[in-house]
Amino acid sequence: QVQLQESGPGLVKPSETLSLTCTVSGYSISSTYYWGWIRQPPGKGLEWIATISQSGTTYYNPSLKSRVTISVDTSKNQFSLKLTSVTAADTAVYYCVGDRRISWYYFWGQGTLVTVSS
Amino acid sequence: DIVLTQSPGTLSMSPGERATLSCRASQSVSSNYLAWYQQKPGQAPRLLIYDASSRTVGTPDRFSGSGSGTDFSLTISGLEPEDFAVYYCQQYGTSLTFGGGTRVEIK
Repeated sequence: QVQLQESGPGLVKPSETLSLTCTVSGYSISSTYYWGWIRQPPGKGLEWIATISQSGTTYYNPSLKSRVTISVDTSKNQFSLKLTSVTAADTAVYYCVGDRRISWYYFWGQGTLVTVSS
Repeated sequence: DIVLTQSPGTLSMSPGERATLSCRASQSVSSNYLAWYQQKPGQAPRLLIYDASSRTVGTPDRFSGSGSGTDFSLTISGLEPEDFAVYYCQQYGTSLTFGGGTRVEIK
């Protein structure tokens, strides 16, 4: 069974870079899955951020593309998110997700709240 | 981007009643690539339905999805206490976008 766990700072200052890591257990990250990030501002809906395939092909939300990088570290069975130039609007619970296609997502991490504030 | 509009925003229902949630797309969703999720407070969303009408393993058969093109719906045939939650639709035909959610609350 695939298990995902997010980690990273819970507080980031405005204009800085948000960096999160997702550790995958129960499955090899280099196998045929797609790994991604979805966020949810407090009390609001869901927003897809980015996805990466096992071969390294990346897919980004056009509205965030200029600020986002997703990457994979197969040696650690982890994938990561970097979001630059953050503002208060980037405050959200960030979920890492995975599934066999870039489509729906069956496997979700528990989520981690990142607050952007000085 | 395809914009998904869910209605109603909130549905007040009693246990045992039938609930119908709507998800309307701003343009046709290719191949009916639409999913439904359930989210309870403090939890990650849980995938219920994919490809508009296919239930995932573990999704009770009281949940059913239907629709095509721009109009989709999720029906819960008899609400159980554990079904009171927020439901989101998501399309994956063109990029990935989510609807704003429908809250199903106890009347």
